[in-house]
Amino acid sequence: DAGITQSPRHKVTETGTPVTLRCHQTENHRYMYWYRQDPGHGLRLIHYSYGVKDTDKGEVSDGYSVSRSKTEDFLLTLESATSSQTSVYFCAISSRSVAGLQETQYFGPGTRLLVL
Amino acid sequence: DAKTTQPPSMDCAEGRAANLPCNHSTISGNEYVYWYRQIHSQGPQYIIHGLKNNETNEMASLIITEDRKSSTLILPHATLRDTAVYYCIVRATTGANNLFFGTGTRLTVIP
Repeated sequence: DAGITQSPRHKVTETGTPVTLRCHQTENHRYMYWYRQDPGHGLRLIHYSYGVKDTDKGEVSDGYSVSRSKTEDFLLTLESATSSQTSVYFCAISSRSVAGLQETQYFGPGTRLLVL
Repeated sequence: DAKTTQPPSMDCAEGRAANLPCNHSTISGNEYVYWYRQIHSQGPQYIIHGLKNNETNEMASLIITEDRKSSTLILPHATLRDTAVYYCIVRATTGANNLFFGTGTRLTVIP
């Protein structure tokens, strides 16, 4: 398994509080991703990073920000948590083939977030 | 990226081969077929991928039709631990980086 850890694994918080989730990799991969998974919606991309300090928005980025100050860590911040952000959050990292033609994403174990 | 169609659920007897179909009739020439699975409460797990040739690894085999409009994931000897939701995804090597997972096929391996 790819060396990906997420912390915390479970969190309960109150509406309006800031929350930061951490994704840590030991694979030195360039690309990192944050997804959320909700019933009926599958996995949806929140933000991704293609290098240190290089990030871009995904399809459901409103209410979230990210930071990547070093290769191994990708942080997801909920500036002011809302109940609609209750979800399971998955981090993924991406490896590319030597020729750069193929890209496989490997996922972390997930963080379950409950916003009350 | 092309969209995929998978049956919502399938059963397979333990020890038998599990054959999971996927239709991707709008697939483009530069799009790969990827398979992932998700065991309850865990992160999605990469299984295999291919472009046009059949592929095999320690987990599974991937059979892609000659016109590339459909594929089949084969688990040669299903075990109870293979019970999971299986996702077929097609994506290009360039452009958007996210994977569109869809609803997948829920495979239940029966003792």
